Amino acid sequence: KAGVTQTPRYLIKTRGQQVTLSCSPISGHRSVSWYQQTPGQGLQFLFEYFSETQRNKGNFPGRFSGRQFSNSRSEMNVSTLELGDSALYLCASSSATGVYAGPLHFGNGTRLTVT
Amino acid sequence: SQQGEEDPQALSIQEGENATMNCSYKTSINNLQWYRQNSGRGLVHLILIRSNEREKHSGRLRVTLDTSKKSSSLLITASRAADTASYFCATDASSNTGKLIFGQGTTLQVKP
Repeated sequence: KAGVTQTPRYLIKTRGQQVTLSCSPISGHRSVSWYQQTPGQGLQFLFEYFSETQRNKGNFPGRFSGRQFSNSRSEMNVSTLELGDSALYLCASSSATGVYAGPLHFGNGTRLTVT
Repeated sequence: SQQGEEDPQALSIQEGENATMNCSYKTSINNLQWYRQNSGRGLVHLILIRSNEREKHSGRLRVTLDTSKKSSSLLITASRAADTASYFCATDASSNTGKLIFGQGTTLQVKP
């Protein structure tokens, strides 16, 4: 099976712009989670989608949003970019269908730089 | 807020030695997982241990869980240069289940 695919791999944006990141999960996985990784804050949970519904949400401002499509592919959007949004954004999919978090399969991330 | 805290933050050993990393967490959990991350890449799942389990093995990896102390340890035996990476513990908290909260990680360097 193909792994989790994230596009684009690198992105450079200017403050105030918006950005959309894409994630294709492993075939058959219905859960997709997003994380932000920075040297200072580490791995921070953004949100998790299951069958097109947001099931969990982290403590990020409303500028961060996401969605999941019927084929389980997911996108996250960040509007009005700030310098502090520069980070590695990681998407992960899981085959777990119950309420407990199962093993996550991560993509290689999108490196976003905001100038 | 971070649920898991790893100790030490950094570890440097020689090939062939064992490496032990510890993780402490704050609240009751459903399960605890360990991941590895090579520089600039995504994380790779290593092992999952449920709250009613005390020890699990996978190849050269041994994980223990002590729910009374809210702590876990990851032991890598006979380490190799290829084990050089950052290692993270992640917890699925009982009070907020379904999302994994990661610790800050331990950076392991294995010298050939």
